[in-house]
Amino acid sequence: DAKTTQPNSMESNEEEPVHLPCNHSTISGTDYIHWYRQLPSQGPEYVIHGLTSNVNNRMASLAIAEDRKSSTLILHRATLRDAAVYYCILRDDYGGATNKLIFGTGTLLAVQP
Amino acid sequence: NAGVTQTPKFQVLKTGQSMTLQCAQDMNHNSMYWYRQDPGMGLRLIYYSASEGTTDKGEVPNGYNVSRLNKREFSLRLESAAPSQTSVYFCASSERDSYGYTFGSGTRLTVV
Repeated sequence: DAKTTQPNSMESNEEEPVHLPCNHSTISGTDYIHWYRQLPSQGPEYVIHGLTSNVNNRMASLAIAEDRKSSTLILHRATLRDAAVYYCILRDDYGGATNKLIFGTGTLLAVQP
Repeated sequence: NAGVTQTPKFQVLKTGQSMTLQCAQDMNHNSMYWYRQDPGMGLRLIYYSASEGTTDKGEVPNGYNVSRLNKREFSLRLESAAPSQTSVYFCASSERDSYGYTFGSGTRLTVV
């Protein structure tokens, strides 16, 4: 499985944008880039995913480098509720359920008021 | 509310005891998964079920068994609990070939 590299921790101020980086230099052509987050004492929740083009949804934006070797999750205005561990995961979505989500240790995001 | 329900939320076992963790989803998803999370670590896959009637091993299956009882329910059994199985256990479900996993809120298990 292709691996991802994320910083262990990051800090942000409330109401400012946050850019969470992820490196995945060994990504294959059919790997989708998935982001999940885990709030304290909760299970992970889906944030966003993409293949090649940048993606936006109500929670965040995903910017994917042209060579796909890195990506950035963007929270446009951080709130205290965004403090969580953010996981960047590669998954071959064409492989169906047999290609499971494999979690790393993620980035712990702290948001200061 | 639709989602993944896990029971119990907390459990303390003595070494050698057995127990079954229950998981049920009401989203008509085909695939279900069991993960464990140890302190300061990411989630590790124990077992998964791609569809009703099938189960397969994940990264850390030793010491566990699973049953896909029907499409809704996927249980995880510890036959003889060990302190090394102290962890938080998460169940998840997804549509086949879909991108989104929905996770339950977890079962915090302590083996003494």
